[in-house]
Amino acid sequence: GAGVSQSPSNKVTEKGKDVELRCDPISGHTALYWYRQSLGQGLEFLIYFQGNSAPDKSGLPSDRFSAERTGGSVSTLTIQRTQQEDSAVYLCASSLTDRVHQPQHFGDGTRLSIL
Amino acid sequence: LAKTTQPISMDSYEGQEVNITCSHNNIATNDYITWYQQFPSQGPRFIIQGYKTKVTNEVASLFIPADRKSSTLSLPRVSLSDTAVYYCLVGAQTGANNLFFGTGTRLTVIP
Repeated sequence: GAGVSQSPSNKVTEKGKDVELRCDPISGHTALYWYRQSLGQGLEFLIYFQGNSAPDKSGLPSDRFSAERTGGSVSTLTIQRTQQEDSAVYLCASSLTDRVHQPQHFGDGTRLSIL
Repeated sequence: LAKTTQPISMDSYEGQEVNITCSHNNIATNDYITWYQQFPSQGPRFIIQGYKTKVTNEVASLFIPADRKSSTLSLPRVSLSDTAVYYCLVGAQTGANNLFFGTGTRLTVIP
């Protein structure tokens, strides 16, 4: 079956530009998560969505970061006025519900490089 | 906040059993323990999950002592393809405080 799909797989952009990263979760999964992973580091939680509830944005590093999830399915992470420290792999995951004991299914990420 | 502590790295020869221990001294009553595996250029992949005692699946075993303050992921007879980073995650209800993957344990399997 189809897993979590992220696009683009790689993105190179100039400092100061805006970028949009897309995540298609597994069909029927109500919970969706965004993480950031810098080179050689662990995963840093950014934001998560559960059903129609307000998203938990507590992990977003600055107001340049935002995310939305339309129709409870596809999600877009937007980074405005990108900075070099935004360079990282951005991972999306989905799970059947928002209980931690429901395994998260990850995409392979978008590698973002800010020049 | 049920944060976890794992060794940064481990090396093992092919065919050996590997045990990776995760410490979680502040684990709460409702928390589960979940392990993920991550290969380079891929997202993490669920391996195994448990609440107490022992859990075994086709990939690994998870040992949890009675006090639940630690857990041990056991990989039997590792092969080169088991070279990866292994993350221990502890929590119950999803939320920012329970989505702490840490830096994981980098396992290198040597031929």
